[in-house]
Amino acid sequence: ETGVTQSPTHLIKTRGQQVTLRCSSQSGHNTVSWYQQALGQGPQFIFQYYREEENGRGNFPPRFSGLQFPNYSSELNVNALELDDSALYLCASSFSGRPAGELFFGEGSRLTVL
Amino acid sequence: GEDVEQSLFLSVREGDSSVINCTYTDSSSTYLYWYKQEPGAGLQLLTYIFSNMDMKQDQRLTVLLNKKDKHLSLRIADTQTGDSAIYFCAEKSGGSYIPTFGRGTSLIVHP
Repeated sequence: ETGVTQSPTHLIKTRGQQVTLRCSSQSGHNTVSWYQQALGQGPQFIFQYYREEENGRGNFPPRFSGLQFPNYSSELNVNALELDDSALYLCASSFSGRPAGELFFGEGSRLTVL
Repeated sequence: GEDVEQSLFLSVREGDSSVINCTYTDSSSTYLYWYKQEPGAGLQLLTYIFSNMDMKQDQRLTVLLNKKDKHLSLRIADTQTGDSAIYFCAEKSGGSYIPTFGRGTSLIVHP
């Protein structure tokens, strides 16, 4: 069984640039959630994708956008990067048929914005 | 809105029991979770409890839920240095499919 994988693991961008982060779901999972984890904080929900549609969104501006592909992999795009976007971005996959909705996380992509 | 609170640090001696506490505000919570995050890694689900249960045991882990006080705890028996990590409490309410996480408790295990 393949776990959740994310790429890249680390990247550095400058203010105003755009970034795309990628995630491959665990096999058998059909739902992907993205979280932002700032240093010393808990994960903050960005959005969730199910059946290639956004299925819920946290308190993040529209410059945070995403995609889910037919194979359930996903992308997180952030436009017009700001310094405060520096964080660990976590992807989590889950299966919609599980009432507990257990999340399985990848190792994260650490973004630094200079 | 939902809020999940945890103390930030806990230090224990190897071999002792650790108890990590969490309080939450949403009375409609259905599932409550404990996740573990080791340095430089993502979160790993340790265990979860459904809201109609008071206790769940899984090997060295014991979860206690007090719904009246909206209090969740995780007890780790015979704590080892490998248990050093950040532990996150999370809750999911009946009206949401998205869990809300606390800020995490950093567990430090010393010899």
